[in-house]
Amino acid sequence: AQSVTQPDIHITVSEGASLELRCNYSYGATPYLFWYVQSPGQGLQLLLKYFSGDTLVQGIKGFEAEFKRSQSSFNLRKPSVHWSDAAEYFCAVGEKTSYDKVIFGPGTSLSVIP
Amino acid sequence: GAVVSQHPSRVICKSGTSVKIECRSLDFQATTMFWYRQFPKQSLMLMATSNEGSKATYEQGVEKDKFLINHASLTLSTLTVTSAHPEDSSFYICSAKRAWDSPLHFGNGTRLTVT
Repeated sequence: AQSVTQPDIHITVSEGASLELRCNYSYGATPYLFWYVQSPGQGLQLLLKYFSGDTLVQGIKGFEAEFKRSQSSFNLRKPSVHWSDAAEYFCAVGEKTSYDKVIFGPGTSLSVIP
Repeated sequence: GAVVSQHPSRVICKSGTSVKIECRSLDFQATTMFWYRQFPKQSLMLMATSNEGSKATYEQGVEKDKFLINHASLTLSTLTVTSAHPEDSSFYICSAKRAWDSPLHFGNGTRLTVT
């Protein structure tokens, strides 16, 4: 069964600093991978996704993520964080065959210091 | 882009009553919708997969008789929490996908409080 881990429960960065949120997955085949962001009391917004092809994917709001098969990782990065990026970030993995189940990681809470 | 609407956004009900939450795909037809539950400071837990015109598929540990799911049309799925208890208080989020290879689009969630 697939699973997702996000080693960092909470991260604090200064505005303007770079950001990397870690994500590791466990899946028997090549998975679909996603990063979602959730603001307090809100639903989830898709930042980016990886299905196949180029392992470096670009998303919205200046985010990017790199799929590394050898490390079973899909880390999210942003070169310069803005105060509005403070939110909860979820990495998720979907089954490539049925794409019916999407399993979420535990999330990483991001705080941004002005 | 695709929009998923969830209603109500907040609901408070008394213990023992039932509450219905609606999830609508506004600009696309969704043959499959998903219901998640999220406890404070925790991740989303998949409760069930809702398929239009057929019975929902529930995840292990989710009570079918307590969380009734109906997917009557290609744009509407409903979750009814029956005989609600305080431990059912949670944030419920629905999601839908446009096609088999498209990502999930989420509603804004429903905060349920059972008193």
